[in-house]
Amino acid sequence: EDQVTQSPEALRLQEGESSSLNCSYTVSGLRGLFWYRQDPGKGPEFLFTLYSAGEEKEKERLKATLTKKESFLHITAPKPEDSATYLCALIGGAQKLVFGQGTRLTINP
Amino acid sequence: NAGVTQTPKFRILKIGQSMTLQCTQDMNHNYMYWYRQDPGMGLKLIYYSVGAGITDKGEVPNGYNVSRSTTEDFPLRLELAAPSQTSVYFCASSPGTGVSEQYFGPGTRLTVT
Repeated sequence: EDQVTQSPEALRLQEGESSSLNCSYTVSGLRGLFWYRQDPGKGPEFLFTLYSAGEEKEKERLKATLTKKESFLHITAPKPEDSATYLCALIGGAQKLVFGQGTRLTINP
Repeated sequence: NAGVTQTPKFRILKIGQSMTLQCTQDMNHNYMYWYRQDPGMGLKLIYYSVGAGITDKGEVPNGYNVSRSTTEDFPLRLELAAPSQTSVYFCASSPGTGVSEQYFGPGTRLTVT
């Protein structure tokens, strides 16, 4: 069974303090790993897709990386507007999107 | 483009009542999905559709039904509501097969008392 585990559950940072969110997974035949951002009371918003180990993608202060067992979402010099819940999800052999529980990120000014 | 829209935004149901959650997308996507999101549990797939007239069960389909008569619309029907169906429901769509990103609606917050 495909599984996704995110850590930590919650993370508080000061503005400008860089850090990383972890997404560990087990899957039979990874077809794609996704990162989404979710603001309170809203639906998830797509950020990145990664397809194979070694791949990296960047968008503003965010960079997503992928290994054979984990994905990281690196946040460089975050701002308060980066506060949100970040969701990791994957598609494996079952061809259905499986989500982790999310990491709730708070950036204090 | 409005993207994926959902109605209503909030609803309170009594145990045993029924209702339909509406979902419409204007992106001409073939694939559509219904998820529920419970606190600390992540999103769980209820039903999905790969095109008009074709639907299939996801991980947690019990107590729900769907239909897909057009490309744009994918309503979710709750029959005989139970407290366990209290959740936030999200509809999503994606453009193609397999590994396409999904676009989510704003959600419906449902409480069953």
